[in-house]
Amino acid sequence: DTAVSQTPKYLVTQMGNDKSIKCEQNLGHDTMYWYKQDSKKFLKIMFSYNNKELIINETVPNRFSPKSPDKAHLNLHINSLELGDSAVYFCASSLAPVRVGQGYGYTFGSGTRLTVV
Amino acid sequence: EDKVVQSPLSLVVHEGDTVTLNCSYEVTNFRSLLWYKQEKKAPTFLFMLTSSGIEKKSGRLSSILDKKELFSILNITATQTGDSAVYLCAVEIYNQGGKLIFGQGTELSVKP
Repeated sequence: DTAVSQTPKYLVTQMGNDKSIKCEQNLGHDTMYWYKQDSKKFLKIMFSYNNKELIINETVPNRFSPKSPDKAHLNLHINSLELGDSAVYFCASSLAPVRVGQGYGYTFGSGTRLTVV
Repeated sequence: EDKVVQSPLSLVVHEGDTVTLNCSYEVTNFRSLLWYKQEKKAPTFLFMLTSSGIEKKSGRLSSILDKKELFSILNITATQTGDSAVYLCAVEIYNQGGKLIFGQGTELSVKP
């Protein structure tokens, strides 16, 4: 039973295209996130949603637009892809604030490796 | 600016060795510190620390937090090749909706 699932796992696309990544969690968490991991393995938050409401919007180009149709889903749409967008994108979910009693605290999906050529 | 710094950035040891990974932080409103292990894919949760001086233990792994000196360590005893991974430290900030600030990770390689 996958807790946080992302699709697709791999995405290779040309510059200028528009693409979407989907994320779903079945943990009953109220908060979902998008993180970007660059080639140096550095994980940086992009967005978070709490019960479908945008909570965190870091300094991310407008070409990136998250959408949360319900609290179990958070999708990421990227317009006009650029070479610098190549990275691994991780979806995550948690209760917010993160709670010790839940054991996991914060759960990540398996990532989407985006390659822009 | 909030930041989390891990050291060393990489480490190569032999099976059976004991390793200590370091994580220091400077954040405005600390709530908790988390350790993750990342192998090929998703980071997997190891520990969450909120109080100073209380050691958390799971098998050969243990971790402790010092909120006065603003750091945490992750110890792995009797290392095995399966411990090879990137270990990530992250700090949760109060009232920021669960946002985590990550360090750059320590890449541990355990040789047979």
